[in-house]
Amino acid sequence: QKEVEQDPGPLSVPEGAIVSLNCTYSNSAFQYFMWYRQYSRKGPELLMYTYSSGNKEDGRFTAQVDKSSKYISLFIRDSQPSDSATYLCATPARDSWGKFQFGAGTQVVVTP
Amino acid sequence: DVKVTQSSRYLVKRTGEKVFLECVQDMDHENMFWYRQDPGLGLRLIYFSYDVKMKEKGDIPEGYSVSREKKERFSLILESASTNQTSMYLCASSSRTRYNEQFFGPGTRLTVL
Repeated sequence: QKEVEQDPGPLSVPEGAIVSLNCTYSNSAFQYFMWYRQYSRKGPELLMYTYSSGNKEDGRFTAQVDKSSKYISLFIRDSQPSDSATYLCATPARDSWGKFQFGAGTQVVVTP
Repeated sequence: DVKVTQSSRYLVKRTGEKVFLECVQDMDHENMFWYRQDPGLGLRLIYFSYDVKMKEKGDIPEGYSVSREKKERFSLILESASTNQTSMYLCASSSRTRYNEQFFGPGTRLTVL
């Protein structure tokens, strides 16, 4: 079983809708979570990170962690066609600092 | 603007060839990583290095080796390329103090025929 699971999608939404992305993780010791965005034919770029439980907001993006259910979420408000990308969740690996466990990524398509 | 560059965007090689993928970062980062990315499998760590001449195996090191002779450069070597090594290869780097933030290169799409 992978330590971080993510629905691959694709997730198709109309422009202006809220995009809701989710990951589940298996190790309750995980404390730090990241979301990366990857455009087609590009490398991933860090979008947001958050510690432990709670919400973190950055413009149209909100990252949420629910440690009781081992669930992390990313919400994109007022979605734009430029948000069309693959979104990957990640958390540091247990066995070595600096290493990450990545989800498989969810492809998002925002249609005009 | 911080940057991780990779030597090739697209590469086509034949089975059995020795393949070198180069990665250079200009951020003076201590840590460097090589991943491969395949549909449905996400990013899988091949090797990483936390210092010059140091290397650690990741989750899928078989069939690969690495070299880090200089701090800014991390090379991935496929000793004898096989068709199952056809993939997108991504290099990343991070600093020792902010190791939870990895910066990625644009990737190399390798096709082995």
